[in-house]
Amino acid sequence: GQQVMQIPQYQHVQEGEDFTTYCNSSTTLSNIQWYKQRPGGHPVFLIQLVKSGEVKKQKRLTFQFGEAKKNSSLHITATQTTDVGTYFCAGTYNYGQNFVFGPGTRLSVLP
Amino acid sequence: EAQVTQNPRYLITVTGKKLTVTCSQNMNHEYMSWYRQDPGLGLRQIYYSMNVEVTDKGDVPEGYKVSRKEKRNFPLILESPSPNQTSLYFCASSLGTGRYYGYTFGSGTRLTVV
Repeated sequence: GQQVMQIPQYQHVQEGEDFTTYCNSSTTLSNIQWYKQRPGGHPVFLIQLVKSGEVKKQKRLTFQFGEAKKNSSLHITATQTTDVGTYFCAGTYNYGQNFVFGPGTRLSVLP
Repeated sequence: EAQVTQNPRYLITVTGKKLTVTCSQNMNHEYMSWYRQDPGLGLRQIYYSMNVEVTDKGDVPEGYKVSRKEKRNFPLILESPSPNQTSLYFCASSLGTGRYYGYTFGSGTRLTVV
């Protein structure tokens, strides 16, 4: 079946450093969503990207959708301890309603 | 408050003893789905439902059943649980078809099968 890959699997950063996680698919995605899961919590929807080359910002978070709609990235500027958690991307294919989740990137922020 | 409610939050059971994990949403969402989360494997979809009486298999449906008799409820049934079904389970819902909406997740059910 279709798969969405994410790298890195883990990332440890010092507070104040930047962080980026990448999401890749071998086939074209219709759209992509990003979620954050705090330790011990449940995934929470962050944002959705639909258009080729789309860039969206939420405060210190910047989300990009690749021109070919096969990859996406989430960049956090100047990380804070509140950014700790696992970030998942989820993509849909052929304009279906079902989203396929990537394995996630676990972010640790050292104070 | 708009939410997805799962019960129970924690469950320890024995191999072969049938169990049901309930999921209910109060947002009139059409789409509902079950996932299991295991370390290093992310969220793997078990079953999903586009609407009442419409269900379909996800990536890992073996050993699970679901039903969608009412819009708000989407129970997950394990007829004969086995230890490899020990996992963290999440139910999720979204507004539904026609457009794309973010999923709202329940708080999770941690199941241990011994």
